[in-house]
Amino acid sequence: QLQLQESGPGRVKASETLSLTCTVSGGSISPYYWSWIRQTPGKGLEWIGYIYYTGITNYNPSLKTRVTMSVDTSKKQFSLALHSVTASDTAVYYCARDSSEGYIWGQGTLVTVSS
Amino acid sequence: QAVVTQEPSLTVSPGGTVTLTCDSSTGPVTSAHYPRWFQQKPGQAPRTLIYDTNNKQSWAPARFSGSLLGGKAVLALSGAQAEDEADYYCSLLYSGGRPVFGGGTKLTVL
Repeated sequence: QLQLQESGPGRVKASETLSLTCTVSGGSISPYYWSWIRQTPGKGLEWIGYIYYTGITNYNPSLKTRVTMSVDTSKKQFSLALHSVTASDTAVYYCARDSSEGYIWGQGTLVTVSS
Repeated sequence: QAVVTQEPSLTVSPGGTVTLTCDSSTGPVTSAHYPRWFQQKPGQAPRTLIYDTNNKQSWAPARFSGSLLGGKAVLALSGAQAEDEADYYCSLLYSGGRPVFGGGTKLTVL
């Protein structure tokens, strides 16, 4: 059974970089798309972007200038870096596998941006 | 960027029927938007309930169904049970392969 687990700091200072990693277990990292989605009380669910196992990326235009995603197939991990964060980036961040049958979600991790 | 609109909240009686809708600011929702529906219970991650308009995930009860109606994606629940009380989100796929989520519907079974 596929499982995804987010990891990374739960608190990041404003203007710094939020970095998260998602570890995939119970399944292969190829040939799938791997997404990051966040959830805030005010804005609901927001798609951040995805990375294909080959490294091809597609980002939300509203976040594109601040987002970098990467994948390490040997470790079955993919990562998110969100640069120059502000308080509005405080959210629960989910990693997910995207396929034709929808998302399989990780449990999510709360990241708080502090001043 | 497109805006996807859902009812903020709905209430259904136990055993009753309710429909949740998912509307697009860019025009009618079609199968080309690959509508998806997600269920989220408090403290849990969302789960995919419906994909590609009307395909159910294996865990999804038969009382849920998805369709297109009147230019919107629709999630119907027939025979609501207490365990169906949750937040429901839809997503639509737009050009460039970028999905947009709706704001979610809080469904109360009462």
